[in-house]
Amino acid sequence: NAGVTQTPKFQVLKTGQSMTLQCAQDMNHEYMSWYRQDPGMGLRLIHYSVGAGITDQGEVPNGYNVSRSTTEDFPLRLLSAAPSQTSVYFCASSPGRKLFFGSGTQLSVL
Amino acid sequence: AQRVTQPEKLLSVFKGAPVELKCNYSYSGSPELFWYVQYSRQRLQLLLRHISRESIKGFTADLNKGETSFHLKKPFAQEEDSAMYYCALSYDDKIIFGKGTRLHILP
Repeated sequence: NAGVTQTPKFQVLKTGQSMTLQCAQDMNHEYMSWYRQDPGMGLRLIHYSVGAGITDQGEVPNGYNVSRSTTEDFPLRLLSAAPSQTSVYFCASSPGRKLFFGSGTQLSVL
Repeated sequence: AQRVTQPEKLLSVFKGAPVELKCNYSYSGSPELFWYVQYSRQRLQLLLRHISRESIKGFTADLNKGETSFHLKKPFAQEEDSAMYYCALSYDDKIIFGKGTRLHILP
């Protein structure tokens, strides 16, 4: 039972590049979410999903897209990376309200 | 707008002294509140939730609806309590967090 798995762990992008942060969970949780963690800003909710085929915006959705085609996977896409998106990204899943977090992806946009 | 406020970025406490990490929230409905902790080189994990009214690792937190607060307390700090602590609010399928407080336990 791996829990919540995020890949990659580290990524460096140039401004304007696109990429997808992967998140997978093997706990059959319906709820999944993405957060970004920045110094002095805490964790901010980007997007969340209450089940396959359903996604919704969080507090800071601009510049990010998500999809939820399966219960297990919830990828986060950056269509055109900007330096302001330099951050640590956390994926989480939940069977109810208790969140289980991944280990994070450290993203730098130059 | 719904909001979670943690007024202290850093709290330094001597080992054996009491700890109180402050959390205030803004929400007009019935709140569901949590404390999460991130130890060095570990994943964020749930510490406790107000619904369960339990004590985890000696920590407790009481929901005060009148003061819209959910402060985290421990009577005697231990060195292993050094970590980043986040207060969180659940509403309308969202879970939002405060900015966090770094707790530093001094020997």
